[in-house]
Amino acid sequence: DGGITQSPKYLFRKEGQNVTLSCEQNLNHDAMYWYRQDPGQGLRLIYYSQIVNDFQKGDIAEGYSVSREKKESFPLTVTSAQKNPTAFYLCASSTGGGPLWDTQYFGPGTRLTVL
Amino acid sequence: AQSVAQPEDQVNVAEGNPLTVKCTYSVSGNPYLFWYVQYPNRGLQFLLKYITGDNLVKGSYGFEAEFNKSQTSFHLKKPSALVSDSALYFCAVRANTGGFKTIFGAGTRLFVKA
Repeated sequence: DGGITQSPKYLFRKEGQNVTLSCEQNLNHDAMYWYRQDPGQGLRLIYYSQIVNDFQKGDIAEGYSVSREKKESFPLTVTSAQKNPTAFYLCASSTGGGPLWDTQYFGPGTRLTVL
Repeated sequence: AQSVAQPEDQVNVAEGNPLTVKCTYSVSGNPYLFWYVQYPNRGLQFLLKYITGDNLVKGSYGFEAEFNKSQTSFHLKKPSALVSDSALYFCAVRANTGGFKTIFGAGTRLFVKA
């Protein structure tokens, strides 16, 4: 089956720790995105990547980092500089054949909790 | 400023009745408009989109949406609601903010009562 996978489903972080959230897609999509979801606030864009070895900051990139070494993978690291990381994190991808920011396909999400 | 508004935090409807989830937008240029649905602890699923053409767009699970340019609205509708339609619904617009990006509304929670 084609789709987007995210792991782990639940993640617990201690103060001062960096943690990495995995996102893998086998849809052959060029573009990938990371969003943060907080209750009542909709989705906020953290980072996006249009192509391998290139990525751009979104609206709330501070305290986060990403890499895009392979087309299929777009991991997100939540660093200790992110002061309020408890949230639901969603990864998405879209085809580069059409316009960027066309229909996005989402993974199941990772719920991060700071202990 | 370019934005998407979902004026209702929650919509309640009885099973079998028609449902409407409202969305208005403010963007420059011609908008790409989307509806997504999210079930508890899951990612978003694409329902439908409007790019150009017929103002009535049909999507998954019997949902449809009507694009109204004069009212800058893109309301989601379904003729007969099911209990299984209960979920969180997001309207989104592709906007030109000096580079394109997708702007999501805050979401509307739909409750369908049996």
